[in-house]
Amino acid sequence: GQSLEQPSEVTAVEGAIVQINCTYQTSGFYGLSWYQQHDGGAPTFLSYNALDGLEETGRFSSFLSRSDSYGYLLLQELQMKDSASYFCAVRDGDFNKFYFGSGTKLNVKP
Amino acid sequence: DADVTQTPRNRITKTGKRIMLECSQTKGHDRMYWYRQDPGLGLRLIYYSFDVKDINKGEISDGYSVSRQAQAKFSLSLESAIPNQTALYFCATSGYGTTGELFFGEGSRLTVL
Repeated sequence: GQSLEQPSEVTAVEGAIVQINCTYQTSGFYGLSWYQQHDGGAPTFLSYNALDGLEETGRFSSFLSRSDSYGYLLLQELQMKDSASYFCAVRDGDFNKFYFGSGTKLNVKP
Repeated sequence: DADVTQTPRNRITKTGKRIMLECSQTKGHDRMYWYRQDPGLGLRLIYYSFDVKDINKGEISDGYSVSRQAQAKFSLSLESAIPNQTALYFCATSGYGTTGELFFGEGSRLTVL
């Protein structure tokens, strides 16, 4: 089976940096994705790591360590609009089957 | 227009009724999925389809069925709805390859009384 763990809630101030961790267990790991979801909205894709290391996309970066079954999403220069839920998802197998964590609610305060 | 369209967006129904949620996409993707979201539980995979001839059960398929009518259409049915199927349902698509990206519809909020 698959299991993913991430913190349920994180609070940070505007302009700060926050890291959201994700640990996973899966039988056929191909990669780790991150999604953002605002209240009432659809999840939107942020990043994907198939190999170890850091991927940077603007203010967001994502890291993967396959040997540790661990990844994180790093958000820099936090803005109020970054307040949302963030989900990690493992890509299980070559088919593009994804299993999601339970999500981390990020609260950005002024 | 949205690339992945779900109908209805909101539905209230009664226990025992048959419900169908429909999904259509214009992205030309072969792979389509149905997920269910409950507060605090993230998204859980119900069914997924590689193409019109390929249907697979996900984590929580009991009580649900699907139909892939065409490459662009994937429907989810609840044959006899029950209150614990009250949730937000998302359809998603993905293309072939290794981008790791799912494209989601806007969601269908279902309430079973």
